[in-house]
Amino acid sequence: DAKTTQPNSMESNEEEPVHLPCNHSTISGTDYIHWYRQLPSQGPEYVIHGLTSNVNNRMASLAIAEDRKSSTLILHRATLRDAAVYYCILRAGAAGNKLTFGGGTRVLVKP
Amino acid sequence: SAVISQKPSRDICQRGTSLTIQCQVDSQVTMMFWYRQQPGQSLTLIATANQGSEATYESGFVIDKFPISRPNLTFSTLTVSNMSPEDSSIYLCSVDRTVYNEQFFGPGTRLTVL
Repeated sequence: DAKTTQPNSMESNEEEPVHLPCNHSTISGTDYIHWYRQLPSQGPEYVIHGLTSNVNNRMASLAIAEDRKSSTLILHRATLRDAAVYYCILRAGAAGNKLTFGGGTRVLVKP
Repeated sequence: SAVISQKPSRDICQRGTSLTIQCQVDSQVTMMFWYRQQPGQSLTLIATANQGSEATYESGFVIDKFPISRPNLTFSTLTVSNMSPEDSSIYLCSVDRTVYNEQFFGPGTRLTVL
């Protein structure tokens, strides 16, 4: 499985944007970039995914570098509820393939 | 989204015993996954369970220790056998929703082995 590298932790102030970087220099052409987050005492939840183009949804935006070797998850206005561990995962092909979790980034949101 | 329930939500067990964890999904799914999350760590995939076939185990996990059943498209069980304190973890099941290209996770079962 292709590997991702994320910072261990990041801090943000409430209502400010958060930019979470992820490096995946060994990504293959068929790998999708997925982001999940895990709130305290809960199972992970899907945030967003993309292949080549930037993606937006109600939770976040995903900016993918042109060479696809890195990506950035953007939380536009952090709330206290966004405090979680965020995982950047490369998933081979389309749905049906396993997720391999790395260490993730622990996001702390300060009021 | 898929609604996934797990039973039990938590348990405290004695070493040498076994515990079976149940995972119920509110709709039919082809693939189900079982993960382990050791204290303070990330998730590690134990196995993939497809209905009608043997589960596929990841490196470091064996069927004798973690037998899995998948009797139908909405249900699966994971048994943690002959437990030791090192098995103390949160065990999570997840399902794949092909249309959405995302996985949905259950709330987890917190296991403590004394």
